Amino acid sequence: AQTVTQSQPEMSVQEAETVTLSCTYDTSESNYYLFWYKQPPSRQMILVIRQEAYKQQNATENRFSVNFQKAAKSFSLKISDSQLGDTAMYFCASKTSGSRLTFGEGTQLTVNP
Amino acid sequence: DTEVTQTPKHLVMGMTNKKSLKCEQHMGHRAMYWYKQKAKKPPELMFVYSYEKLSINESVPSRFSPECPNSSLLNLHLHALQPEDSALYLCASSPGPSGRAQETQYFGPGTRLLVL
Repeated sequence: AQTVTQSQPEMSVQEAETVTLSCTYDTSESNYYLFWYKQPPSRQMILVIRQEAYKQQNATENRFSVNFQKAAKSFSLKISDSQLGDTAMYFCASKTSGSRLTFGEGTQLTVNP
Repeated sequence: DTEVTQTPKHLVMGMTNKKSLKCEQHMGHRAMYWYKQKAKKPPELMFVYSYEKLSINESVPSRFSPECPNSSLLNLHLHALQPEDSALYLCASSPGPSGRAQETQYFGPGTRLLVL
């Protein structure tokens, strides 16, 4: 069974600053994928970034990057140059072969002007 | 194009009504999903269709009835719902078989359902 834990229910950051959201996961599988999804107030669930467990290089998408620490089972999301539009609930999720997509409880991020 | 569309955006229904939610994707994806999401909680999986066949039913009450008429379309038929069924219903799709680890799910904007 997989578990995903997000230990920060809420976070806030000033516009233009950098913020890191934490996520830890647990799985006994060797082949798995990790995801960060963003859900703004409109509640559309948007894929932010995806990481394949076999790849050591951390995934990056523009201002979003991850710090994937496989041994520690940690998968944090760094948002650089935060913008007001980054205000959203962020969900970390994992997927192994034959299993469902498992979500963490989410971190509500507020970007302040 | 990673667009999944859902209609209607909002739905209010009484406990004796019958209504349907619709989800559509034209990305050639072969797996489609229904999720239920309560406020400030992660989505909960309800049903999965893989290659137009129901592959997962997460013990959802029979008042929810899914249907996959073709590979691009997914419906959720609602009948005799309860007030606790009020939630955001999200549809998602992924390119290949739902069981593969690499299957990235793309979500629609959701239907906000209120049961009175």
